[in-house]
Amino acid sequence: ETGVTQTPRHLVMGMTNKKSLKCEQHLGHNAMYWYKQSAKKPLELMFVYSLEERVENNSVPSRFSPECPNSSHLFLHLHTLQPEDSALYLCASSRLGLAGVNTGELFFGEGSRLTVL
Amino acid sequence: AQTVTQSQPEMSVQEAETVTLSCTYDTSESNYYLFWYKQPPSRQMILVIRQEAYKQQNATENRFSVNFQKAAKSFSLKISDSQLGDTAMYFCAFMKYPSRGDKIIFGKGTRLHILP
Repeated sequence: ETGVTQTPRHLVMGMTNKKSLKCEQHLGHNAMYWYKQSAKKPLELMFVYSLEERVENNSVPSRFSPECPNSSHLFLHLHTLQPEDSALYLCASSRLGLAGVNTGELFFGEGSRLTVL
Repeated sequence: AQTVTQSQPEMSVQEAETVTLSCTYDTSESNYYLFWYKQPPSRQMILVIRQEAYKQQNATENRFSVNFQKAAKSFSLKISDSQLGDTAMYFCAFMKYPSRGDKIIFGKGTRLHILP
């Protein structure tokens, strides 16, 4: 397998459930990202793991919890979500250059479509 | 704060025609990158083209080219000889440079339909 793989592709959960989204990259990249894509809104960066250092967007509710056990895997743990959290969640990866500088080319997965009932 | 604005939510053109997607941005940074990303229906988003702000020459990639107007903060994408496979959402994006994993700012996107 190559590229960025996300599972599951579709997830329906109740507001009291706990679930996790998984992302795996086989590109040898050293940065990984979670984005939220909602209709008619810009892509919203949620979390970044850069050279194993987490850069967090403070506006992300605590019901979303990321985990990056190594440079190839990224998780997004979900608990007590709200219906407005329904969206497409995109994982991406990139290779950081010298001194961890980002060249801006992101490689995306196909996304996990989340529906919160 | 940087912002990216795509004023065309949706466009349709006939196959083989040329189409231009608009993008404007606002920043006080002097060094940055601009991007166009393509998201086909139910498929992965991919990078189409990248422009470094310090370069005066407009970037081109086969049928895709940009018109970068730094003073006007405008960054449009031209698709020549459009093909059915060009049907997708197109996102304009901005990133200051250098950046250590910093956020890439995306616009809301333009949904492009190529009609047979």
